[in-house]
Amino acid sequence: GAVVSQHPSRVICKSGTSVKIECRSLDFQATTMFWYRQFPKQSLMLMATSNEGSKATYEQGVEKDKFLINHASLTLSTLTVTSAHPEDSSFYICSARGGIRDQETQYFGPGTRLLVL
Amino acid sequence: AQTVTQSQPEMSVQEAETVTLSCTYDTSESNYYLFWYKQPPSRQMILVIRQEAYKQQNATENRFSVNFQKAAKSFSLKISDSQLGDTAMYFCAFMKRNAGNMLTFGGGTRLMVKP
Repeated sequence: GAVVSQHPSRVICKSGTSVKIECRSLDFQATTMFWYRQFPKQSLMLMATSNEGSKATYEQGVEKDKFLINHASLTLSTLTVTSAHPEDSSFYICSARGGIRDQETQYFGPGTRLLVL
Repeated sequence: AQTVTQSQPEMSVQEAETVTLSCTYDTSESNYYLFWYKQPPSRQMILVIRQEAYKQQNATENRFSVNFQKAAKSFSLKISDSQLGDTAMYFCAFMKRNAGNMLTFGGGTRLMVKP
């Protein structure tokens, strides 16, 4: 139980294009999902909190127009990197708050490696 | 705001030996959770163990156990009978209860298990 998938696992795109990353909770409903960014050999940095049916809450310093988050259902949140630039290259990880009996735990997706050329 | 500190950037241990990873945190909260997550080379974050602050008993999960010292704000992870598959980055994390479930991570400890 508590499996989170992420797609794609790896994406290479040209500068100026947009990239969408999907995060799905496979066997539970997740009212809250989180998006993180991780640079090499560093810890996870929270970008935003995504709540189903409402606008995402962004951390200080994260551009909401750059990183569009949509949480349209209880099992799916998407992160769209708009007009991507090389400095957006990173490892992006999503997590989902556990189900009814496990709400104090976050379960993580396998991550998406984004490379912007 | 909460902070989590892992003072050991890198550690190594021989296979079958025991190793302890340190974590300290700073908070004014009394109601919270603490976690250890493992990130192997695949980069998939895996929950290792969880501790509720209101529980005095230290959490254990098979070969993994914690030493939770609430007054000292310390939360160390002990790995017994280390296996090669334990090689990974280990992150200590703090979550304030009933506050949106946001995790605050430490900087991580890179553990290498040597054969």
